[in-house]
Amino acid sequence: NAGVTQTPKFRILKIGQSMTLQCAQDMNHNYMYWYRQDPGMGLKLIYYSVGAGITDKGEVPNGYNVSRSTTEDFPLRLELAAPSQTSVYFCASSRFQTPPPGQSLNIVLDEQYFGPGTRLTVT
Amino acid sequence: DAKTTQPNSMESNEEEPVHLPCNHSTISGTDYIHWYRQLPSQGPEYVIHGLTSNVNNRMASLAIAEDRKSSTLILHRATLRDAAVYYCILRDYDNAGNMLTFGGGTRLMVKP
Repeated sequence: NAGVTQTPKFRILKIGQSMTLQCAQDMNHNYMYWYRQDPGMGLKLIYYSVGAGITDKGEVPNGYNVSRSTTEDFPLRLELAAPSQTSVYFCASSRFQTPPPGQSLNIVLDEQYFGPGTRLTVT
Repeated sequence: DAKTTQPNSMESNEEEPVHLPCNHSTISGTDYIHWYRQLPSQGPEYVIHGLTSNVNNRMASLAIAEDRKSSTLILHRATLRDAAVYYCILRDYDNAGNMLTFGGGTRLMVKP
């Protein structure tokens, strides 16, 4: 398995340009996520999806759009790039499952698998 | 999700145990304690998680206080490869989205 792959690795955009960051996973995970990480900070959630055709906003969605037409792919679209969108973007996926009734919750595993990131600079 | 508090940085010697603390005094009964780490120039990776009992896996151990207001990630023998930012995250499975809320984390430096 390749896991979570992201393209491109690096990109420089001019202010006002648009681009799509690609993310794909081959683990048949139902949940997928987009995070951004500014220098020296933790990750912040932009958008997430609980399955094909379903997306929802995270903590910092403004300036971004997503779609989820297949289980495998979850592209992130930047329209009208701004310097504030200079960041490292991480895509992640997980196989979320609700603990079965009566089962010990300690053994539920839904770890998120992260891609290598895309470093975006907007100038 | 309830917030967590971690030291900004810690230092350790190679091949010695490391105890990374996390305070979460407002934790709720349905919050799980997750740990992720982020190696330099990489995406985060899962380390371990638990609810009430201490947990062990091949990477680390998680010790959870009896009142659950704090926890400690234990690396039994630090290696240079363990130098990373370690994030302690509370996850409430009653919330939709299954999202992770990252704080600042603890930057672990390992000295040879």
